[in-house]
Amino acid sequence: SQTIHQWPATLVQPVGSPLSLECTVEGTSNPNLYWYRQAAGRGLQLLFYSVGIGQISSEVPQNLSASRPQDRQFILSSKKLLLSDSGFYLCAWEGLGTEAFFGQGTRLTVV
Amino acid sequence: LAKTTQPISMDSYEGQEVNITCSHNNIATNDYITWYQQFPSQGPRFIIQGYKTKVTNEVASLFIPADRKSSTLSLPRVSLSDTAVYYCLVGKITGGGNKLTFGTGTQLKVEL
Repeated sequence: SQTIHQWPATLVQPVGSPLSLECTVEGTSNPNLYWYRQAAGRGLQLLFYSVGIGQISSEVPQNLSASRPQDRQFILSSKKLLLSDSGFYLCAWEGLGTEAFFGQGTRLTVV
Repeated sequence: LAKTTQPISMDSYEGQEVNITCSHNNIATNDYITWYQQFPSQGPRFIIQGYKTKVTNEVASLFIPADRKSSTLSLPRVSLSDTAVYYCLVGKITGGGNKLTFGTGTQLKVEL
């Protein structure tokens, strides 16, 4: 069966520090992968999505970037975090049509 | 993806049936309708998916009228544990690549 792993679960980082969040999927090949951010009490904001290795689409201009070095690996990065980067980050892969499967999420607090 | 519109919030009591309606006036012929449930500090979870008429599973029912411009998620006999945000999405079923964009969803609050 397919599973999705996302880590770490929580992260506290100082302003200006780098960020790397990793997401991996098992049990499927060539999945469509997504990164979302959710601010407290808000909806899911689509940040990046990828339909294949090295293929990244950015939805919102920001100081975040994403990479897909392997078929089932999706990485969210930042060179210098801002306070506004705090939030709940979710990775997801898309199954049939609009059925998406989400990771456990990473609670990022930038201090 | 077709744009969707849902109520921001709804309140209910335990044991009642809750119906959440989603409007999707620009739904395409090959689009399906999918509903998700999200608890705090968790990712959304798939609830139900349908194309037309009625779909039922162990968790909910989905009603889709003939024109498919709206859909209604029905939760029978809700409990406190059904307090969550519910999202409606519309997109094609085959091949993926829908660029899944979630709206603000409907915050359902169930009380005793």
